[in-house]
Amino acid sequence: DTGVSQDPRHKITKRGQNVTFRCDPISEHNRLYWYRQTLGQGPEFLTYFQNEAQLEKSRLLSDRFSAERPKGSFSTLEIQRTEQGDSAMYLCASSSESINYGYTFGSGTRLTVV
Amino acid sequence: DQQVKQNSPSLSVQEGRISILNCDYTNSMFDYFLWYKKYPAEGPTFLISISSIKDKNEDGRFTVFLNKSAKHLSLHIVPSQPGDSAVYFCAASPGGSQGNLIFGKGTKLSVKP
Repeated sequence: DTGVSQDPRHKITKRGQNVTFRCDPISEHNRLYWYRQTLGQGPEFLTYFQNEAQLEKSRLLSDRFSAERPKGSFSTLEIQRTEQGDSAMYLCASSSESINYGYTFGSGTRLTVV
Repeated sequence: DQQVKQNSPSLSVQEGRISILNCDYTNSMFDYFLWYKKYPAEGPTFLISISSIKDKNEDGRFTVFLNKSAKHLSLHIVPSQPGDSAVYFCAASPGGSQGNLIFGKGTKLSVKP
């Protein structure tokens, strides 16, 4: 297992289009997180799964955003009707039960909405 | 309202010297603190963590100090190496939450040979 994988690495889309990102966590990690990072800011929490259950959602996650983790393995994050303000780096992370070891982040998907 | 603050956007240190990165927080209910390092075009990499019941944790060249009364933590890197040049993020875990790490804005460390 080589870590957390995210696909695609880069996505350019026109305003109003829908986009979907995929995250494959470390296989033995049952927890999966989505974060968003914009220039000059730290990562901001979006949502969290334990196995297939979505346990926590940030108020940043508007109605246009939806995340799934159907079989408790990979996850998808979909943004509908993209806006220019959605341009950011979308980071996925996974972890085991203990926070002592932190989260393992993927390299992210950079979204540019034009 | 930022709950985790890294007030120094950048820090420059000579190779071999100590790097001290600082972080302040406002929420006394945070129960765990973490430091991450980030290189360009990569995701953040976990460095070291500390529980709120401790005041120091050490891992090789990295030591994190926690001062709960001052709501302040710091990361010491000794000795600093050019490969340590990166953006360092401080993060905190709110008590009772298992998902929501709150990050600071980061400090860009440059270690000069």
